[in-house]
Amino acid sequence: AQTVTQSQPEMSVQEAETVTLSCTYDTSESDYYLFWYKQPPSRQMILVIRQEAYKQQNATENRFSVNFQKAAKSFSLKISDSQLGDAAMYFCAYRSTGNQFYFGTGTSLTVIP
Amino acid sequence: EAGVVQSPRYKIIEKKQPVAFWCNPISGHNTLYWYRQNLGQGPELLIRYENEEAVDDSQLPKDRFSAERLKGVDSTLKIQPAELGDSAVYLCASRKADRRNTEAFFGQGTRLTVV
Repeated sequence: AQTVTQSQPEMSVQEAETVTLSCTYDTSESDYYLFWYKQPPSRQMILVIRQEAYKQQNATENRFSVNFQKAAKSFSLKISDSQLGDAAMYFCAYRSTGNQFYFGTGTSLTVIP
Repeated sequence: EAGVVQSPRYKIIEKKQPVAFWCNPISGHNTLYWYRQNLGQGPELLIRYENEEAVDDSQLPKDRFSAERLKGVDSTLKIQPAELGDSAVYLCASRKADRRNTEAFFGQGTRLTVV
């Protein structure tokens, strides 16, 4: 079974600064998708960014970008110009070819004014 | 477009009582997931439906949990009887099984407290 590991239970960043959240995964598949979801206190998981494994180019969405290292099975999220509204739990997720999602244990991000 | 709708948002019950959660996925989404999320943890799959068929229920505690998705649209998840360890957030998600639409969309979840 696929596993997703987030080794940083908590992270903090100063407002307007940059922070990187780490994620590694284990799989024997060659075709898969990776995601970062944000979960604020309202509990609703919101998609931040996605990456297709067959694409070498790293995905970007405004202030959010990823560093996808397929050989190393690493998928980190970089948040630039951090804002107070970025404070939340962030979950790394893997979607298998079997339409199954696997989630990490999450990283709690605090943004310091 | 309406999102995934779950109800109730909160439920407090005594142990050994039954409880049911309801989920209405996004229209046209044929895949529906039920997840359980314990405090400080990531979501863990309970059951996945493709249309009305349960295709992955290996993590569903079948002695007390049951689920159904009649007509392949909305779904209910039931626990009977509830135990103290069932306290968690129960998340429903849906996805359109199209390669271009690869993410799952989540509802706001139901927070269950068993006392």
